[in-house]
Amino acid sequence: AQRVTQPEKLLSVFKGAPVELKCNYSYSGSPELFWYVQYSRQRLQLLLRHISRESIKGFTADLNKGETSFHLKKPFAQEEDSAMYYCALWVMKTSYDKVIFGPGTSLSVIP
Amino acid sequence: EAGVAQSPRYKIIEKRQSVAFWCNPISGHATLYWYQQILGQGPKLLIQFQNNGVVDDSQLPKDRFSAERLKGVDSTLKIQPAKLEDSAVYLCASSPRGAYNEQFFGPGTRLTVL
Repeated sequence: AQRVTQPEKLLSVFKGAPVELKCNYSYSGSPELFWYVQYSRQRLQLLLRHISRESIKGFTADLNKGETSFHLKKPFAQEEDSAMYYCALWVMKTSYDKVIFGPGTSLSVIP
Repeated sequence: EAGVAQSPRYKIIEKRQSVAFWCNPISGHATLYWYQQILGQGPKLLIQFQNNGVVDDSQLPKDRFSAERLKGVDSTLKIQPAKLEDSAVYLCASSPRGAYNEQFFGPGTRLTVL
């Protein structure tokens, strides 16, 4: 079965410290993964996707198929990074595709 | 471009009452999603439309939930009758057709069932 897990509900780091938000997935096909973010009082929005191989707002994520992980990393956390982060898995079906979201991790950056 | 619109933003009802939510996706987006997000959990897909046809409603409690997408544009999600456990944020999202495309989310409707 397809599944996304994020083991940490809450994560607190100090400003300037490195941050890593963990994501693990279960999927028999070729995985494509995303990170979505929801800042306070804003809509859920795409942060980055694996297929684009890009760094957004200093965040990067590497797909590790051996460990079935897609952890989100940033070397120096900023206060504006405080938000809810969701890892998501793209699942290819026969005639359509769907996205499965993880439970989310709340990141708090302490000034 | 205008984003995904949803209404109402908040709704409080008593159990066994009915409620309806409305969503207007981004113009031209073929795929429309309704998610249920219970406090402390990630979004759970309830139903997914491709144009005006349903492609996935496997997690929709069909004895009480229904949804339609009129002419492949606007969509409504209805709950009848509501239960206490339906208290959640209901998110609508849309995306262009194609693989690995970004989903654009609306602001959500926060439903409280008393």
